[in-house]
Amino acid sequence: KQEVTQIPAALSVPEGENLVLNCSFTDSAIYNLQWFRQDPGKGLTSLLLIQSSQREQTSGRLNASLDKSSGRSTLYIAASQPGDSATYLCAVVLGGGNKLTFGTGTQLKVEL
Amino acid sequence: GAVVSQHPSRVICKSGTSVKIECRSLDFQATTMFWYRQFPKQSLMLMATSNEGSKATYEQGVEKDKFLINHASLTLSTLTVTSAHPEDSSFYICSAQRGGGPDEKLFFGSGTQLSVL
Repeated sequence: KQEVTQIPAALSVPEGENLVLNCSFTDSAIYNLQWFRQDPGKGLTSLLLIQSSQREQTSGRLNASLDKSSGRSTLYIAASQPGDSATYLCAVVLGGGNKLTFGTGTQLKVEL
Repeated sequence: GAVVSQHPSRVICKSGTSVKIECRSLDFQATTMFWYRQFPKQSLMLMATSNEGSKATYEQGVEKDKFLINHASLTLSTLTVTSAHPEDSSFYICSAQRGGGPDEKLFFGSGTQLSVL
């Protein structure tokens, strides 16, 4: 059974700091991996999607990397802002399927 | 981007009553919809997958008679929590997909907070 873990569970940083969120998964036979953002009491917004054949994806201040063989992904946020405060979830789709398995999430707080 | 509307956003009900949650894709036809539940400070757990015009596929441990899912059209799926109990209190989120493949982007509703007294 695929298990997805995110470290740290919570993170508080001052505004402007660069930060890295980590995601690990136990079954490396993934089809793709996504990073989502969830604001309190809200649904999810897709941030980045990395196919299993890709190493990284970038969107603005966000950069996600994927090391499929080691079962790891990182989300790098540059020059963090208070508006980045949210819970960040990674999720994987196993090859041959279409279901997302979500990680445990990292709750980020960016302080002024 | 595509919009998925979920309603209601919050519902409080008495134990033993049934609650219906709607998930609509507003500007695209959703071949596949997914229903998740999320307990406080935990991640999303997939409950079931529904395809338009066919019976939903439930994940292991999810009671299909308790959580009734109907995907009657390409723009609407409903989740009915029957005879709700306090342990059913949770945050329920739907997502919709144009096609059924893993490359199709998922669009999420804004969620429904269910509180059963």
